[in-house]
Amino acid sequence: AQSVTQPDIHITVSEGASLELRCNYSYGATPYLFWYVQSPGQGLQLLLKYFSGDTLVQGIKGFEAEFKRSQSSFNLRKPSVHWSDAAEYFCAVAAPGFQKLVFGTGTRLLVSP
Amino acid sequence: EAGVAQSPRYKIIEKRQSVAFWCNPISGHATLYWYQQILGQGPKLLIQFQNNGVVDDSQLPKDRFSAERLKGVDSTLKIQPAKLEDSAVYLCASSLGGATGELFFGEGSRLTVL
Repeated sequence: AQSVTQPDIHITVSEGASLELRCNYSYGATPYLFWYVQSPGQGLQLLLKYFSGDTLVQGIKGFEAEFKRSQSSFNLRKPSVHWSDAAEYFCAVAAPGFQKLVFGTGTRLLVSP
Repeated sequence: EAGVAQSPRYKIIEKRQSVAFWCNPISGHATLYWYQQILGQGPKLLIQFQNNGVVDDSQLPKDRFSAERLKGVDSTLKIQPAKLEDSAVYLCASSLGGATGELFFGEGSRLTVL
């Protein structure tokens, strides 16, 4: 069965600084990979997804993620963080061909002025 | 386009009472999911419907949880009797279906069991 590890529970970044959120997965082959964002009191919104092909994936709101098979990682990045990016971010994995998402425990992003 | 609608947004009950949550997916979405999100954890799939049939309910505690999706549109998730550990946010999501279809989530129903 697939699993996801997000090693950072909280991260604080200064506004305008770059951001990288870590995600490691466990799966026997190349899974489908996703990043979701959840603002307080809101549902989850899809930022980006990887199924196959180009390992650098562009998403909404200026986010990107890179799939690294050798490291079983799918880290989320943004070159310049805005205060509105403060939220909880979830990495998720699914077996190819299936829509059952397995989520990590999330990373809460705090943005300081 | 209207999103996934859920109600109630908040519910407080005592243990051993029952509760029901309702979800109205995006129009035309064949696949509907219920996820449980306990504080400090990621969402966990409880049940997945394709139209009005169950695709996956392997993680649904069937002794106390039930869900139905009559007519393949709206869905109801019921808990009876509730336990303290059922305190969580219950998220409904829907998608057009297919292996790569995007899931759209509702805002969730927050349950507190006292």
